[in-house]
Amino acid sequence: EPEVTQTPSHQVTQMGQEVILRCVPISNHLYFYWYRQILGQKVEFLVSFYNNEISEKSEIFDDQFSVERPDGSNFTLKIRSTKLEDSAMYFCASSVQALNTGELFFGEGSRLTVL
Amino acid sequence: GNSVTQMEGPVTLSEEAFLTINCTYTATGYPSLFWYVQYPGEGLQLLLKATKADDKGSNKGFEATYRKETTSFHLEKGSVQVSDSAVYFCALGSNQAGTALIFGKGTTLSVSS
Repeated sequence: EPEVTQTPSHQVTQMGQEVILRCVPISNHLYFYWYRQILGQKVEFLVSFYNNEISEKSEIFDDQFSVERPDGSNFTLKIRSTKLEDSAMYFCASSVQALNTGELFFGEGSRLTVL
Repeated sequence: GNSVTQMEGPVTLSEEAFLTINCTYTATGYPSLFWYVQYPGEGLQLLLKATKADDKGSNKGFEATYRKETTSFHLEKGSVQVSDSAVYFCALGSNQAGTALIFGKGTTLSVSS
């Protein structure tokens, strides 16, 4: 069964360092998403991506964050200069259609720890 | 803006007990409603959904009914199993194309034999 895969599963980094989280969405999906969950808090939307551009982003997704789909398969989230409060579980998701009645398929998450 | 409120966990039950996890929402228009489940060490996966008022979503013995009058989408199961132990997330999706899901905080369910 096709699935969304994420790497790394866990990354520890020093404050101020750049981090890239990688995702391989399901191959025929068109819409891609990043969410994050700070421990004990809600799963929060960061950004959605369609047709090689951002279609929606939240207030959390500031200039420190960027996304790209460099090669038609990977979908990456870059945090340019990490802060302590970026420590969270980051989930990638994809869907066949724009999310209204459709289903999101999630990866297992990448845990980021910023020291 | 749109929001989802779930009952606080953790919920601890014995096998075969009845489960209810409450979820209420605030939204403009007519959103779709979802329950996602996250088993230990795995990603979130769709458990069930309902796309309009009075719809009942069901899967694996779980049910939830979209109640517009009470703005609720409570998750129920008549007889839980140890394998149901997981984190359950209620979510709301606007019917505007490309908009994101809004999740609740998640409710941890622990079922013992």
